[in-house]
Amino acid sequence: DAGVIQSPRHEVTEMGQEVTLRCKPISGHDYLFWYRQTMMRGLELLIYFNNNVPIDDSGMPEDRFSAKMPNASFSTLKIQPSEPRDSAVYFCASTMDSSYNEQFFGPGTRLTVL
Amino acid sequence: QQQVKQSPQSLIVQKGGISIINCAYENTAFDYFPWYQQFPGKGPALLIAIRPDVSEKKEGRFTISFNKSAKQFSLHIMDSQPGDSATYFCAASVLSGYSTLTFGKGTMLLVSP
Repeated sequence: DAGVIQSPRHEVTEMGQEVTLRCKPISGHDYLFWYRQTMMRGLELLIYFNNNVPIDDSGMPEDRFSAKMPNASFSTLKIQPSEPRDSAVYFCASTMDSSYNEQFFGPGTRLTVL
Repeated sequence: QQQVKQSPQSLIVQKGGISIINCAYENTAFDYFPWYQQFPGKGPALLIAIRPDVSEKKEGRFTISFNKSAKQFSLHIMDSQPGDSATYFCAASVLSGYSTLTFGKGTMLLVSP
């Protein structure tokens, strides 16, 4: 298995631009998570999906952030408009089901907003 | 109540020494305590995990010690090696009736040669 796939690996954009991060979870995993990692705040859960349905988006910082999961093999995290304080590493993770809590993380997308 | 507090923020250990990272939690409903290891440029990966029905779990050089009454758990890395240099995250969750992992802020471990 290729593991969780994220793209792009690096993104540099200017303030005000739209940014779209992409994730392909491990096949057969029912849960998908989006995290943000910064030095100051560590790993923050932004949103998670179960069977493509958003379950908890209370970690999404503000309306500029949105996430979708149109099917079991693809999810996007969109920031519009982006701001310098959004600069961070964004991780996608997936796990099999509620009785098996190991989360498998992708390699992350390093976002820099200038 | 959902917080997991991790210390220290960073740690330098000589090769062959013991690395110890500590975590404390508030929510007594937590019943699953994993540790994740993250190398630079990579995502975190599960290292070892424990359920509260045991006080210790050992896998190779890595040991979790769990103190339910104190609501604390720790990771011990015996005979630390330069290849162990990474960021370590403790986490906690409730397995039954699924809840998400609550992560500590992480500890950057450097094992000097």
